[in-house]
Amino acid sequence: GAGVSQSPSNKVTEKGKDVELRCDPISGHTALYWYRQSLGQGLEFLIYFQGNSAPDKSGLPSDRFSAERTGGSVSTLTIQRTQQEDSAVYLCASSRGLAEATDTQYFGPGTRLTVL
Amino acid sequence: GENVEQHPSTLSVQEGDSAVIKCTYSDSASNYFPWYKQELGKRPQLIIDIRSNVGEKKDQRIAVTLNKTAKHFSLHITETQPEDSAVYFCAASWSSNTGKLIFGQGTTLQVKP
Repeated sequence: GAGVSQSPSNKVTEKGKDVELRCDPISGHTALYWYRQSLGQGLEFLIYFQGNSAPDKSGLPSDRFSAERTGGSVSTLTIQRTQQEDSAVYLCASSRGLAEATDTQYFGPGTRLTVL
Repeated sequence: GENVEQHPSTLSVQEGDSAVIKCTYSDSASNYFPWYKQELGKRPQLIIDIRSNVGEKKDQRIAVTLNKTAKHFSLHITETQPEDSAVYFCAASWSSNTGKLIFGQGTTLQVKP
């Protein structure tokens, strides 16, 4: 079946502009995660959704970052007033959302964001 | 806070040799330890995972060991092949949290033909 998809694959924007990144999880997966991967670095957790709720937003680096999820499916990560330090690859992952919360996470291809 | 340390940051081996990557974690409540392989420009792909109720798991040329007392876990790749060249990430998670993964910094493995 279809895996996790993300769009756009690449986004170049100017400092101060807002951007929206989209994630389509695997059908039926109730858990959705956003991570950020800076150049040559590991993956940094941003936010977790269970259904449409976000019980863990602890990784969002500032109030310029927000995310929502609708219909228990598609999620959008919004970065307002982008800064150069926001440049990174933004990865989305989904899992079945089992109660034990240690289920396999499947990653999307990522969106490479470049802020000029 | 939660932390995962991964070593080495780079590893170069000859084809056919073994490769070992080690990780340590800080939170003793961690009970799920996946390993992801990421090829250049591609998404991370799960290659193997282990849960805290076992000490070792093997899948063909790949094995993972876990020492909960020492809070260490390791990835072992035997009979390495050029296509094993990639960045490998370890991660830790625990069932009492949201399932978020705390990742190590990654190991760039180069297998020389």
